[in-house]
Amino acid sequence: GENVEQHPSTLSVQEGDSAVIKCTYSDSASNYFPWYKQELGKRPQLIIDIRSNVGEKKDQRIAVTLNKTAKHFSLHITETQPEDSAVYFCAARTTGGFKTIFGAGTRLFVKA
Amino acid sequence: GAGVSQSPSNKVTEKGKDVELRCDPISGHTALYWYRQSLGQGLEFLIYFQGNSAPDKSGLPSDRFSAERTGGSVSTLTIQRTQQEDSAVYLCASIGTYTEAFFGQGTRLTVV
Repeated sequence: GENVEQHPSTLSVQEGDSAVIKCTYSDSASNYFPWYKQELGKRPQLIIDIRSNVGEKKDQRIAVTLNKTAKHFSLHITETQPEDSAVYFCAARTTGGFKTIFGAGTRLFVKA
Repeated sequence: GAGVSQSPSNKVTEKGKDVELRCDPISGHTALYWYRQSLGQGLEFLIYFQGNSAPDKSGLPSDRFSAERTGGSVSTLTIQRTQQEDSAVYLCASIGTYTEAFFGQGTRLTVV
């Protein structure tokens, strides 16, 4: 069945360094890839998304890249800050469809 | 309302009792998901509704778990004969056409 794998499960970086989280998906029909951030005790919230007609999207310190051929997509956070510490989830979905498959999550620690 | 609403926000129940968790999705959203999240863990898929039907209920852990959705809107997740391992946060998310998933604040279930 459809699957999204996410790595690493835990990531610890020094404040100011970059963090990269990678996901792979199995359903070649997937064409919408959102990323969610879940702070401690709060609900997951969308931080950035990418559709299959582009290879990269940036929003200030965060960026996502997509390689449809390899079925890989990644989240890049530059100049990390302590408030970036959270659990990040990737997901894959077909546009116009509704079934969204989530990765298992990455717990990011940013050390001051 | 403006967002996804879940009730109750907290529920403490005795082992063996039945509980009912409620999710009010965003008006007009066709798809509704239930996830379970144990402390510090990822999102465990339980069941997914498209309209009132459930194309995928493969994530329900046992026959003690059931869910329904009526009128294409409100959904209830029922856990019968609760066990201590059922303790977790139960998250609901709704998705509209061409939108990302919007999560409710969750119901924290504690079985004592």
